[in-house]
Amino acid sequence: SQTIHQWPATLVQPVGSPLSLECTVEGTSNPNLYWYRQAAGRGLQLLFYSVGIGQISSEVPQNLSASRPQDRQFILSSKKLLLSDSGFYLCAWSLQGGYTFGSGTRLTVV
Amino acid sequence: QKEVEQNSGPLSVPEGAIASLNCTYSDRGSQSFFWYRQYSGKSPELIMFIYSNGDKEDGRFTAQLNKASQYVSLLIRDSQPSDSATYLCAAYNAGNNRKLIWGLGTSLAVNP
Repeated sequence: SQTIHQWPATLVQPVGSPLSLECTVEGTSNPNLYWYRQAAGRGLQLLFYSVGIGQISSEVPQNLSASRPQDRQFILSSKKLLLSDSGFYLCAWSLQGGYTFGSGTRLTVV
Repeated sequence: QKEVEQNSGPLSVPEGAIASLNCTYSDRGSQSFFWYRQYSGKSPELIMFIYSNGDKEDGRFTAQLNKASQYVSLLIRDSQPSDSATYLCAAYNAGNNRKLIWGLGTSLAVNP
């Protein structure tokens, strides 16, 4: 069966520090992968999606970046965090339509 | 702009009642529709999906789709306090780079 792993679960980082969140998928090949952010009380905002290794599409301009170095690995990064980067970060995968989400990372930038 | 709209709620129902959650979408090319449940502080989890007009039942949940009216609903029968959560509706169009278009969610409270 397919599983998706996302870590860490919580993270507190100072403004200006770097960020690296990792997501891995097991039990499937060539999935579409997504990074979402959900701010407190807000909807799901698509940040990046990837249809294959090295293929990244950015949905919103920001100081975040994403990479897909392996088929089942998706990484979200930032060189310098802003206060506005705080939120609940979710990785998801899909093959045909419906998404399966990871457990999420709650990031607080202080 | 492609949109999915939901009443933010909160929708409050007594335990044992039927909860009715509604969603409208703007993209007539949407092919399938998904309902997710999200507990506070947790990630969304898929409850049901539907792609044909009519009803689809799974246990206490029934999804209803009316493509002519661009309307999707989720009925929860015999509502339980554990059903209290935010319910997210999403529309899928394979021509949209396989991205889901999300509603903002409806908050449901089931009162014991």
